[in-house]
Amino acid sequence: ILNVEQSPQSLHVQEGDSTNFTCSFPSSNFYALHWYRWETAKSPEALFVMTLNGDEKKKGRISATLNTKEGYSYLYIKGSQPEDSATYLCAPYSAGNMLTFGGGTRLMVKP
Amino acid sequence: DGGITQSPKYLFRKEGQNVTLSCEQNLNHDAMYWYRQDPGQGLRLIYYSQIVNDFQKGDIAEGYSVSREKKESFPLTVTSAQKNPTAFYLCASSIVRSYNSPLHFGNGTRLTVT
Repeated sequence: ILNVEQSPQSLHVQEGDSTNFTCSFPSSNFYALHWYRWETAKSPEALFVMTLNGDEKKKGRISATLNTKEGYSYLYIKGSQPEDSATYLCAPYSAGNMLTFGGGTRLMVKP
Repeated sequence: DGGITQSPKYLFRKEGQNVTLSCEQNLNHDAMYWYRQDPGQGLRLIYYSQIVNDFQKGDIAEGYSVSREKKESFPLTVTSAQKNPTAFYLCASSIVRSYNSPLHFGNGTRLTVT
């Protein structure tokens, strides 16, 4: 089973702050990196699927970058809003392991 | 609306009893998955199915069983052999089992065994 680390585990920010968090994973046998957002009392929803080194994806105020050589991805949220409060999960997909989820970063945005 | 339905939302069972968690999807997806979440841990894969009548063990299959008789349905049975069955269970599906195919999740079932 892959070791997937997400940091920080939790984060409190004020509305309007920009924030970022990290997903670290083994770089060998890498196929793709998935990001999911999981709001309380809802089901996780896919944000991004990234495959190429240097890839950058954007969805509204949320963007993500990928470094497959060193095994990390950053998720950025610009101008956080209360509705961004959720747990953000990353999951690398690698040969033989399929998707392996990290423990998540729990973001709380105060109005 | 297309989606994944898990039922029930909460389930309580006595130790030693088998229990079956339901998962139905109307997304016409080929692949379906069962994950377990425990406090402080990432989602862990229990079983997955790529097509009807086929399923494979995930990382923590011991004490669980599944069936895939219909494309839409992938029920999970938690047997009395599962040592720590109390957990939150998530069902998911994807168009196919592929590295670039995102998962669609249900709302989960919280199982408590006493």
